[in-house]
Amino acid sequence: QVQLQESGPGLVKPSETLSLTCTVSGGSVSSYYWSWIRQSPGKGLEWVGYIYNSGSTNYNPSLKSRVTMSVDTSKNQFSLKLSSVTAADTAVYYCASHRSSLDWVSNWGQGTLVTVSS
Amino acid sequence: DIVMTQSPESLALSLGERATINCKSSQSVFYSSNNNNYLAWYQQKPGQPPKLLIYWASTRESGVPDRFSGSGSGTDFTLTISSLQAEDVAVYYCQQYYSTPWTFGQGTKVEIK
Repeated sequence: QVQLQESGPGLVKPSETLSLTCTVSGGSVSSYYWSWIRQSPGKGLEWVGYIYNSGSTNYNPSLKSRVTMSVDTSKNQFSLKLSSVTAADTAVYYCASHRSSLDWVSNWGQGTLVTVSS
Repeated sequence: DIVMTQSPESLALSLGERATINCKSSQSVFYSSNNNNYLAWYQQKPGQPPKLLIYWASTRESGVPDRFSGSGSGTDFTLTISSLQAEDVAVYYCQQYYSTPWTFGQGTKVEIK
């Protein structure tokens, strides 16, 4: 069973870049698809995007211009960067895994709250 | 984007009663090539991530009690809890994985009356 754990700053200033890392255990980051999903009171659950095979990505068009995802196979981790953040990006961010590009989410991290505020 | 609309927003039932949650997609999530509906249901309890209950609209995830069942096809789907238990208090979400961007319903809160 794959286990996921998010890490990163809980507070980010407006206009700066949000950076989160997800550490994978019980499986290889070279397998599976890896997504970021966020949850805010105002917008519910929102899929941010996924990365696969150390390079292939698919981002939500609503965030595409600000999102970058990457994989670090040496550390068995994958990461999210979201630039030019505003208060609207305040949310609990979950990392998640799934078997293919069109698949249900089989594993979720516990989530990490990121607040955008000066 | 495919819009997922759940109803009701909340429901309060007595222990042992049947709970019915509806989910409607703005376009069909059925692939005729493999005869599957690309629809999942999740349960989320406070302070926890969502937990997968149902995929392919009606396939129960391993370990999920059989009082949970999913039905429907095309654009209209239902999650049923046949006999509500105290531990079922949670928010329930549907999700389509037919096309990206994946989208979720707004959630249905289930409480005990």
